[in-house]
Amino acid sequence: NAGVTQTPKFQVLKTGQSMTLQCAQDMNHNSMYWYRQDPGMGLRLIYYSASEGTTDKGEVPNGYNVSRLNKREFSLRLESAAPSQTSVYFCASTVGGTGGNSPLHFGNGTRLTVT
Amino acid sequence: GENVEQHPSTLSVQEGDSAVIKCTYSDSASNYFPWYKQELGKRPQLIIDIRSNVGEKKDQRIAVTLNKTAKHFSLHITETQPEDSAVYFCAAKGSGGSNYKLTFGKGTLLTVNP
Repeated sequence: NAGVTQTPKFQVLKTGQSMTLQCAQDMNHNSMYWYRQDPGMGLRLIYYSASEGTTDKGEVPNGYNVSRLNKREFSLRLESAAPSQTSVYFCASTVGGTGGNSPLHFGNGTRLTVT
Repeated sequence: GENVEQHPSTLSVQEGDSAVIKCTYSDSASNYFPWYKQELGKRPQLIIDIRSNVGEKKDQRIAVTLNKTAKHFSLHITETQPEDSAVYFCAAKGSGGSNYKLTFGKGTLLTVNP
């Protein structure tokens, strides 16, 4: 039982390059999330998927796209990377469900640098 | 949408002292308030949470209090130890269309000096 698995752990991109961050959970959770963490800014929500087949914008969605591939997997794509996207990215999941209050389980993060 | 303010941004205490971190939220319908601890280079991990129908919850040296009228909640750590040193985040879960979204405060860096 690995929990939430993110790949890669580290990535360096040049401005304008694209990449996809992968996330998978094995806890049969319904809801999945992508956050970015920057110094002094806390954790800001990029996109989330309340359930398989749905995705919604969070607080800072510009420059990103997501795909909920199936119940287990939720990927984040940067189509044209910019230095402002240098950050640590965390994927998270929770049981979810309407009205459910359950904690988030986080992956180990992806440290992305855009030069 | 929901807005969560967290104070202080940094907190330094002596080992054995208590530490208190405070958060306020804006959405009066928010109903779930977790606290996460993040050690350097690691992922955030849940340490305690409270739901809106409860005013206080304790787990060993950690307690959380919630004041729904004033829309604020606090984390209390007693008998602090060096291993409590970390960044702590509060969060609030919105209502209605935001029911699935957790909004985080900006974090508090707690340093426990031996």
